[in-house]
Amino acid sequence: AQRVTQPEKLLSVFKGAPVELKCNYSYSGSPELFWYVQYSRQRLQLLLRHISRESIKGFTADLNKGETSFHLKKPFAQEEDSAMYYCAPQTGANNLFFGTGTRLTVIP
Amino acid sequence: DGGITQSPKYLFRKEGQNVTLSCEQNLNHDAMYWYRQDPGQGLRLIYYSQIVNDFQKGDIAEGYSVSREKKESFPLTVTSAQKNPTAFYLCASSTRLAGFRTDTQYFGPGTRLTVL
Repeated sequence: AQRVTQPEKLLSVFKGAPVELKCNYSYSGSPELFWYVQYSRQRLQLLLRHISRESIKGFTADLNKGETSFHLKKPFAQEEDSAMYYCAPQTGANNLFFGTGTRLTVIP
Repeated sequence: DGGITQSPKYLFRKEGQNVTLSCEQNLNHDAMYWYRQDPGQGLRLIYYSQIVNDFQKGDIAEGYSVSREKKESFPLTVTSAQKNPTAFYLCASSTRLAGFRTDTQYFGPGTRLTVL
């Protein structure tokens, strides 16, 4: 059974437009929720995690327990946001799951 | 970026040969992980270790083996039993939290393995 779904493999938006990268998960209990990002020629790195409730580079992610979603949002996309984004709901060291990723392209 | 390193960057192997991928970290992390990344499939967990001399299988451990003799090192051996070993391999480390919680993972640059 698929445990985490990122429905969009590719997403293109214009600079300055809002962007939303979707993530749905299927777990019982309360997973810890992460978004990781990989910029071109850089290694995979943490973007943000739900428990911190921070806004990183203008991105936020709201946990919707009813819909079991953790969508990543930014009100005004920038060209430097172009990257591969992975949603990662995790319930322990033996349950580390990553989504298949969404490649975001911000068009100038 | 020197916190976690993987070598080599590219690796070529003939069918039937075992090959070992290196992963070293100087972040003083207890936990280390190996993932396999294939196009369109995200990251899949191969093995993980939460402490020295202990490791556990992940989702796709068949055909792989690991050791954790030192805190800093977590080498992965791709054996000849692995049916489709050509892939991009990522190593990661994190602090170890109590219970079933996980912490932020720090990733290495990866090793691309090609079986000829």
